Amino acid sequence: KAGVTQTPRYLIKTRGQQVTLSCSPISGHRSVSWYQQTPGQGLQFLFEYFSETQRNKGNFPGRFSGRQFSNSRSEMNVSTLELGDSALYLCASSPEGAVSFGDTQYFGPGTRLTVL
Amino acid sequence: AQSVSQHNHHVILSEAASLELGCNYSYGGTVNLFWYVQYPGQHLQLLLKYFSGDPLVKGIKGFEAEFIKSKFSFNLRKPSVQWSDTAEYFCAVKVYGQNFVFGPGTRLSVLP
Repeated sequence: KAGVTQTPRYLIKTRGQQVTLSCSPISGHRSVSWYQQTPGQGLQFLFEYFSETQRNKGNFPGRFSGRQFSNSRSEMNVSTLELGDSALYLCASSPEGAVSFGDTQYFGPGTRLTVL
Repeated sequence: AQSVSQHNHHVILSEAASLELGCNYSYGGTVNLFWYVQYPGQHLQLLLKYFSGDPLVKGIKGFEAEFIKSKFSFNLRKPSVQWSDTAEYFCAVKVYGQNFVFGPGTRLSVLP
């Protein structure tokens, strides 16, 4: 099976702009979670999507949003970018996500976002 | 809310030394536990996981971890590290109905 893919791999934006990141999960996986990874902060949970519905949300401002399509592909959007949004954004897929006790998450390579 | 702590921010070892990375979590109920590794320039990969049964879990590349419920711990071990083990290691916890919670990570540097 192909792994989790994320596009683009690198992005450079300026403050105030908006950005859309894309994630394609492993075939058959219905849950997609997004994380922000920064040095010293580890992985901070952004949100989880399952069957096109946002099921859980982390502690991030409303500028961070996402959606999931019927084929389980997911997009994440960040509006009005700030310097502090510079990070590696990781997507992870799993078969069932939060409601499953036996799930394992598989990660994509991430999108490195730099905000100037 | 549950939390995960990892004892060391950065560990430096020489090749052939033994490794133990600490992980503690705060949730008192039933948990699933994971260790992930992120090699330089690569994406996060699953090293091993514990769901139930034998508390000593073996993973890939000679790693193992021991779940000690009374100590809320899931420490990662390897008897003899190699230069290629240089990476960042993340402990993660999953509780039913909730999302994964990751620790802050431990950076391991192995000197040749």
